[in-house]
Amino acid sequence: DTEVTQTPKHLVMGMTNKKSLKCEQHMGHRAMYWYKQKAKKPPELMFVYSYEKLSINESVPSRFSPECPNSSLLNLHLHALQPEDSALYLCASSQGHGGSTDTQYFGPGTRLTVL
Amino acid sequence: KNEVEQSPQNLTAQEGEFITINCSYSVGISALHWLQQHPGGGIVSLFMLSSGKKKHGRLIATINIQEKHSSLHITASHPRDSAVYICAVGGEKLTFGTGTRLTIIP
Repeated sequence: DTEVTQTPKHLVMGMTNKKSLKCEQHMGHRAMYWYKQKAKKPPELMFVYSYEKLSINESVPSRFSPECPNSSLLNLHLHALQPEDSALYLCASSQGHGGSTDTQYFGPGTRLTVL
Repeated sequence: KNEVEQSPQNLTAQEGEFITINCSYSVGISALHWLQQHPGGGIVSLFMLSSGKKKHGRLIATINIQEKHSSLHITASHPRDSAVYICAVGGEKLTFGTGTRLTIIP
């Protein structure tokens, strides 16, 4: 199984809502990532979990809250988002050795619209 | 920080044409990644290159570590190859190129 799955595929939420994005992999990878991608731009790294511990937070606003319940699952909890947070949210995983050869495998993404 | 540049930014070609996308980076690396993203979709990892050349089907990727340059070639291009192709360097914190939007016309 070389797949990273993400749910939901699409999400529309109001600025006062609370929602969660989910990501799952069964490749035995020990690093998992959240990216945000705006249209026609490359992905921007948000968070990295390594061995279930948060290792990188790219100064992301606190309205985004990541959670890694176990080595296969990664959640992104959303609260009080702004319309400018509308984007494609991508999850990725890798073996976790951190070197430049550590290939990241991406999920299909969740298209988020904040009204 | 490594600066990663791609060219061209946009490329339109007829079906069957040979395609070349270029990627240059500013700081020496151990490996470079080529990624593919279809419109509205997730990202697929095509190649991870440390040296030389790799081939997968109609896709060929080359890298020259000394010149800090990599190319992605597509032979006998097909409309389903239409996508954004992105090169990236780094480990946990990938630095992405700006992408090349490829459109293959039947």
